[in-house]
Amino acid sequence: DTAVSQTPKYLVTQMGNDKSIKCEQNLGHDTMYWYKQDSKKFLKIMFSYNNKELIINETVPNRFSPKSPDKAHLNLHINSLELGDSAVYFCASSQGTGAGDTQYFGPGTRLTVL
Amino acid sequence: AQSVTQLDSHVSVSEGTPVLLRCNYSSSYSPSLFWYVQHPNKGLQLLLKYTSAATLVKGINGFEAEFKKSETSFHLTKPSAHMSDAAEYFCVVSERGATNKLIFGTGTLLAVQP
Repeated sequence: DTAVSQTPKYLVTQMGNDKSIKCEQNLGHDTMYWYKQDSKKFLKIMFSYNNKELIINETVPNRFSPKSPDKAHLNLHINSLELGDSAVYFCASSQGTGAGDTQYFGPGTRLTVL
Repeated sequence: AQSVTQLDSHVSVSEGTPVLLRCNYSSSYSPSLFWYVQHPNKGLQLLLKYTSAATLVKGINGFEAEFKKSETSFHLTKPSAHMSDAAEYFCVVSERGATNKLIFGTGTLLAVQP
């Protein structure tokens, strides 16, 4: 009965490969997010979808493409992986997009690019 | 633009002694502020949030924070540290607008000595 789940938990791959990370929430929330946490633990928003519509698209390489098939799922596809993409990627969800709406985070996916 | 500054990258306390993790914010309006905790190799968990109601906010596990507008601070405190409190703590502000974009501080690593 995990609220926000991500698969896989660990992902090790070679440079140049294409990979996807999946996220699902069972909280009935309308808004989902992707964050990147770098090796110094700094967290930064990448994307956000509200009711399947993209509302935040930060300055990330266009090799990263989010896909939201429905409100409960937000996947992250990464093309042509580079060494610098190694990080922990967190998915989150919230009821809406109001400034006080709590975001609930998944357990993270640790991506290692060799 | 909104931002938060966590004044200490590392804090070490002895078990049973008080905890103080400092955070200053910058915002041109009344912000929504959060504290999240991240235990090793885990996702982020909300400790507490301030959304312009009571200035003293109580959270989970005995933590609380006080919003002080005059000092632009939102420090996190706990009267007595437990070994299980050892983790990374993030002060977070929600950016104004209709996106609920979170801006994270750089984190404070709390160590608890026996």
